[in-house]
Amino acid sequence: GEQVEQRPPHLSVREGDSAIIICTYTDSATAYFSWYKQEAGAGLQLLMSVLSNVDRKEEQGLTVLLNKKDKRLSLNLTAAHPGDSAVYFCAVSSSNYQLIWGSGTKLIIKP
Amino acid sequence: NAGVIQTPRHKVTGKGQEATLWCEPISGHSAVFWYRQTIVQGLEFLTYFRNQAPIDDSGMPKERFSAQMPNQSHSTLKIQSTQPQDSAVYLCASSLVRGGSYEQYFGPGTRLTVL
Repeated sequence: GEQVEQRPPHLSVREGDSAIIICTYTDSATAYFSWYKQEAGAGLQLLMSVLSNVDRKEEQGLTVLLNKKDKRLSLNLTAAHPGDSAVYFCAVSSSNYQLIWGSGTKLIIKP
Repeated sequence: NAGVIQTPRHKVTGKGQEATLWCEPISGHSAVFWYRQTIVQGLEFLTYFRNQAPIDDSGMPKERFSAQMPNQSHSTLKIQSTQPQDSAVYLCASSLVRGGSYEQYFGPGTRLTVL
């Protein structure tokens, strides 16, 4: 079955810098790719999602890149601010709609 | 729109007791998903309903766990004879699941602690 690896597990960047989180997946039939943010004690907030026919999507300081050849998905946060501190998860799905999750990246934004 | 509602937010049970978790999906969404989150295992898919029908329960433990969706406005996850290893945050999500939409929106979760 699908396997998703996410790295790094921990990431600390200074306020105003960029942060990049990467996920790799194994199933070439994967059709849907998403990123979620989880703040302490809270549920999962959908940040962005793309289908497999999209290579790049930008919204509100976030950029998602999809490299289907390398089976790699990345999330780039530009100009990080303290409110971005959280755990970030990638989640992917094939046509069965079941989300397969990365292990999470704990992002800390230092002042 | 209130988003996905999960109740209770926290539940503490003794070993061997039953726990029932409730989920109210976003109005108009046709699919409900249940996931479990633990420190050790991370996020795991449990089961999925579409138009109230069970579609995929491949992630559900075969014993003690059951899920239902008796109407379009709520789903329940029941755990019989709870064990300490069932302690986790149980997350419910809903989705339109039509027109190529895969996006799943999550509730705040129910934190289950089995003593």
